[in-house]
Amino acid sequence: SSELTQDPAVSVALGQTVRITCQGNRLRSYYVSWYQQKPGQAPVLVIYGTKNRPSGIPDRFSGSSSGNTASLTITGTQAEDEADYYCNSRDSSGNRLVFGGGTKLTVL
Amino acid sequence: QVQLVQSGAEVKKPGASAKVSCKSSGYTFTSYYMHWVRQAPGQGLEWMGIINPSGGYTTYAQKFQGRVSMTRDTSTSTVYVDLSSLRSEDTAVYFCARAVCGGDCSFDGFDIWGQGTMVIVSS
Repeated sequence: SSELTQDPAVSVALGQTVRITCQGNRLRSYYVSWYQQKPGQAPVLVIYGTKNRPSGIPDRFSGSSSGNTASLTITGTQAEDEADYYCNSRDSSGNRLVFGGGTKLTVL
Repeated sequence: QVQLVQSGAEVKKPGASAKVSCKSSGYTFTSYYMHWVRQAPGQGLEWMGIINPSGGYTTYAQKFQGRVSMTRDTSTSTVYVDLSSLRSEDTAVYFCARAVCGGDCSFDGFDIWGQGTMVIVSS
């Protein structure tokens, strides 16, 4: 089992706000990154260093962390945001990485 | 532009080895660490390890210790992952992914991904 826990599936109405969470005992100490993956495509980085957005990523995507839970929030969700989302952070050793199990986001 | 181009699909017999390449262009190869990530069909992402293209230093996920080797060729700006003793569970798409920045933030995210290489392990 992964050291990072995500809800397997989340749904959101078009134009609404959704929060996708990632839980892990080490998240108080380490940065988190988030990836969006659509079928048949390579993942795309949407958040790095817990709250930083790469250039080209819409500002409706934001990241935050509190305690042992990191969150990816999408404000004003668009149809094209329907995808799988994965969190990533260091494991308990501190010098290796691990992914969460992924969350399938459905836009209604 | 910055891009990573991976080698083509492979079909291997159980017990064999597979070596996937990832050629970098558009940036200074030795300035950014490179990660390898794999994804079995219908499954999630799995981190395999990281290589420092400058010194060749590596760290591997515990799961792959003793079975994986990551190397680089600075003359061609190419990194490689070699996985031995293949079994059916190693059937997956293998991705290389560049660290979002150099130095201390090499573990903070992967911003550029290769297109992926399918490795099929089947008798």
